[in-house]
Amino acid sequence: GGIITQTPKFLIGQEGQKLTLKCQQNFNHDTMYWYRQDSGKGLRLIYYSITENDLQKGDLSEGYDASREKKSSFSLTVTSAQKNEMAVFLCASSYREGNQAPLFGEGTRLSVL
Amino acid sequence: GDSVTQTEGLVTLTEGLPVMLNCTYQTIYSNPFLFWYVQHLNESPRLLLKSFTDNKRTEHQGFHATLHKSSSSFHLQKSSAQLSDSALYYCALRTSGGNYKPTFGKGTSLVVHP
Repeated sequence: GGIITQTPKFLIGQEGQKLTLKCQQNFNHDTMYWYRQDSGKGLRLIYYSITENDLQKGDLSEGYDASREKKSSFSLTVTSAQKNEMAVFLCASSYREGNQAPLFGEGTRLSVL
Repeated sequence: GDSVTQTEGLVTLTEGLPVMLNCTYQTIYSNPFLFWYVQHLNESPRLLLKSFTDNKRTEHQGFHATLHKSSSSFHLQKSSAQLSDSALYYCALRTSGGNYKPTFGKGTSLVVHP
């Protein structure tokens, strides 16, 4: 079976800092996604990528950059961390076809001091 | 664009009672693919059920759901709630229309108490 690995699992940053989160999958999935989950709120799509070197903005892309240099990996950069920000960032991946369910990694928990 | 509407917010149940979490969707495409995910505390969402066939019941781990295209619904049910069912549940939609991103509902938090 495959796995989606997110690193780091926990990330503590300073206000204004640029922070990078990484995601790797070995399912050979075409499409990869980054979601943000705030406490008590749903999943908000930040960026997604349907193939290597492709990037598509989600509903929450402001303040983030993303990069898909390889099919197996998708990174997300918080361009300037906001003070007291706390959220979980979830990476997911799936095959391109609509009948394929996205599968999620374990998440990166971000805290900004 | 596509949309998914779930039972709002928090559902509280007594152990042993039936569970029903509502999910309705909107899409212009005739072949929707519907999914239910479950997310326990401090875990990531995990696929629970999926369905692509109209009026066919799908079951997994005691939960079941039936896609009804006539009413654009995919409600999640279980005959008897267990304490371990307490979790956040998401309904999600994908289509074959070339939009590669899934549409998630806002989630329903289920709390089962003794």
